[in-house]
This record gives sequence, structure tokens and C-alpha cells, in this order.
Amino acid sequence: AQKVTQAQTEISVVEKEDVTLDCVYETRDTTYYLFWYKQPPSGELVFLIRRNSFDEQNEISGRYSWNFQKSTSSFNFTITASQVVDSAVYFCALSLYNFNKFYFGSGTKLNVKP
Amino acid sequence: GAVVSQHPSRVICKSGTSVKIECRSLDFQATTMFWYRQFPKQSLMLMATSNEGSKATYEQGVEKDKFLINHASLTLSTLTVTSAHPEDSSFYICSAPLAGEFDTQYFGPGTRLTVL
Repeated sequence: AQKVTQAQTEISVVEKEDVTLDCVYETRDTTYYLFWYKQPPSGELVFLIRRNSFDEQNEISGRYSWNFQKSTSSFNFTITASQVVDSAVYFCALSLYNFNKFYFGSGTKLNVKP
Repeated sequence: GAVVSQHPSRVICKSGTSVKIECRSLDFQATTMFWYRQFPKQSLMLMATSNEGSKATYEQGVEKDKFLINHASLTLSTLTVTSAHPEDSSFYICSAPLAGEFDTQYFGPGTRLTVL
């Protein structure tokens, strides 16, 4: 069975602080994909990143960076120099190769205060 | 990128009525679409897989007679909440993959249903 755990329910930081959102996943499949989505108050899911299980390279995109470690089944997301506009709920998700079903974590609500 | 739309974006209805939510892939064909449900401050839970030309596949615990799904064409799937009750109030999101792309889902903007 597949499972995604986001242990942090809610995080509050002050603007310009760095923040890391944790994601731990479980699957016995060797080929899978991991995702991060942002959900602002409007509700629409905003795609942030996709990573396949064979690519453990960390990725940086502007203020965002992702750390994928298969050894610990983690796919953590760091926002550097957070901004108020980063306030949202962030979901980590897992899908298996050739299956379109997504398994979402419970989400982490990030509050960035000015 | 691929675009998925949903209509309506918000709907308020009285208890006992049926509500239809449409999910459209605007610039691509989707033989499969997915319907998710999100309760306030909770995660997205897959409800069912909508298959063009065949019956939908429902996740365990989802009442198929309550949530009717019709995938009438390669660009349209509809979710009908029959005899809606206040506990059906939720945020419904659909998604669709591009043909041949099994690792990417394109999500609709969601429909917020409130049943009075």
C-alpha cells in the first residue's frame, strides 16, 4: 500500500525566514513519482515539482529547493527567504508508474507573517 | 501546458437536490479522469476513476449510486451528487493525465459545493 505522511500540520514563520516542509512516503514499488503542490486559499492546485524515483538529484528553482533521499523515503521542500505570498497549504503526493492515481499527504499549512 | 476546467466553480443547493459538476480537458483528450474530494482543512481523497466509454471505478467507501460519474466524451467527465445532503458539502477536484503521460496529472480548479 502507498502512503504519504506530512507530519507538520501547520507552520508559522516570519517573512525572510527559511522553512522546510517534510514529506515521508511509503511504497514497495521501485518506480514511482513524487510531487509537491501548492494550494492557495482559492483552492486551485499549483504544480511545483515532479521527481521520479530514479532521479535523486536535488533541485533548486529560485527560492524553492527539494531534497529527495530514497534511503529515508523523504522528499522535503525548502523555501528560502519566505514571503507572505508563500502562505498556502502544501501537499506532497506519490503516484506509481503506469498508474495515474495520486496519493496525497495530509498537507502542511504554511503561514508567513510580515 | 494542458488545461482542465471545472464548472461550476461554486454551487449552493438545497438538501435533497442533485448537483452536476463538469470536468473538461480543454486542449487535450483524456480517456481517464479522476475525481477527488477535499473536506475543509483536509487532504484530497480519490473518489473514483472516470473511464471514457465504460463504467467508473470507485474507491472503497464511495457510494456509486450517490456519486454518479459519466465520461461521455474524450474531453468531458461529469460528477452528479444525487440527493445531496449537508455532509456532501466539500471541495471537488478533477484531474486528467495526457495520453501516454502516466506521471503527470493536470488538475481542475475545483468546485465548492455547499448543501444547505
